Amino acid sequence: GEDVEQSLFLSVREGDSSVINCTYTDSSSTYLYWYKQEPGAGLQLLTYIFSNMDMKQDQRLTVLLNKKDKHLSLRIADTQTGDSAIYFCAERRGNNRLAFGKGNQVVVIP
Amino acid sequence: DAGVIQSPRHEVTEMGQEVTLRCKPISGHDYLFWYRQTMMRGLELLIYFNNNVPIDDSGMPEDRFSAKMPNASFSTLKIQPSEPRDSAVYFCASSLSSGYTFGSGTRLTVV
Repeated sequence: GEDVEQSLFLSVREGDSSVINCTYTDSSSTYLYWYKQEPGAGLQLLTYIFSNMDMKQDQRLTVLLNKKDKHLSLRIADTQTGDSAIYFCAERRGNNRLAFGKGNQVVVIP
Repeated sequence: DAGVIQSPRHEVTEMGQEVTLRCKPISGHDYLFWYRQTMMRGLELLIYFNNNVPIDDSGMPEDRFSAKMPNASFSTLKIQPSEPRDSAVYFCASSLSSGYTFGSGTRLTVV
């Protein structure tokens, strides 16, 4: 990893909300991202937030950014079985380079 | 657009053999990244290119690894000779300004 910290595992019941947390390191990061990886697939960009925003909502997804604490969270409302995946947060550093966390596996129980 | 295309999807090879992984980025993207993913170490950036020029290869584990980008539409990652500890999923990603688009990866198994 590159010092982007995530908790490793979350289990949630279908229909409940999921919250995944991430702590990043570079206070000058301009963009922060959430990626989703389903089994056997590559990472898919879910959403991103610009560093001058506190919150971004995109359908069932809500991203919260606390720049003071360098804390990023992703809330998934009405979690569905198709949301079972590994979720990675990433911060954009210099030269268009993204630093990824180790990922957080979300398991949705029907 | 077909997205980032990687080949092969799966590769099984014997220790000591040469392995070449291929990537076709999205047309117009000027950054290309090679990552390796394992359970133990997560996603590791190996090398990345900007406008076909290698910018940072500090993540390449050893001299056995090499990467090239001869033109804007093609890149290779070569391992010679391969070892069992190289077994992983190798991802290629391309980018224009923000956010990456990942390929589906190549699952490499070295026996």
